[in-house]
Amino acid sequence: GAVVSQHPSRVICKSGTSVKIECRSLDFQATTMFWYRQFPKQSLMLMATSNEGSKATYEQGVEKDKFLINHASLTLSTLTVTSAHPEDSSFYICSASAGLGAFFGQGTRLTVV
Amino acid sequence: QQQVKQSPQSLIVQKGGISIINCAYENTAFDYFPWYQQFPGKGPALLIAIRPDVSEKKEGRFTISFNKSAKQFSLHIMDSQPGDSATYFCAASSGGTSYGKLTFGQGTILTVHP
Repeated sequence: GAVVSQHPSRVICKSGTSVKIECRSLDFQATTMFWYRQFPKQSLMLMATSNEGSKATYEQGVEKDKFLINHASLTLSTLTVTSAHPEDSSFYICSASAGLGAFFGQGTRLTVV
Repeated sequence: QQQVKQSPQSLIVQKGGISIINCAYENTAFDYFPWYQQFPGKGPALLIAIRPDVSEKKEGRFTISFNKSAKQFSLHIMDSQPGDSATYFCAASSGGTSYGKLTFGQGTILTVHP
């Protein structure tokens, strides 16, 4: 149980375009999901908390207009990186709470060229 | 202070040995302490977690030791295997949105030599 699926696993996009990443809870309902960013050989940094049916809560320093989060259902949250630039290249990971604990998706490697 | 400090940054252990990774925290509101294992290019996987009401929790070869007064906790991997080679993260939560909101340590790269 507690499986979180993230798609795509890898994406390459051109600078200035937008990219959407999906995060699904497969076997449970998640009223709250979380989006993290991880740079090579570094830890996970929380970007935002995604709340079903309401606006996301962004961590300090995260541009909400660049990283659009939508949590339209109890099993799906999406992160859209708008007008992507090379500095947005990173590993993006989502997670969802299931009982006591958080379970993570497989991550999405975004490369902006 | 929301930080969780993790050490060592890297660790090399021989097969069959014990791997020990330590974490310390400042925020006394933290009351949930999980450990995650991450392989390159993958998301973190929950290994084991502990609440402050117990001092130790064991699951298979993995044991968490927790010292509430010192605000420290550690992961012990017994009989370490080459397949355990990965990056390990400790984390802490104060219960934000059902313990899903986590503050992570800096990570430890574990290498187990055959």
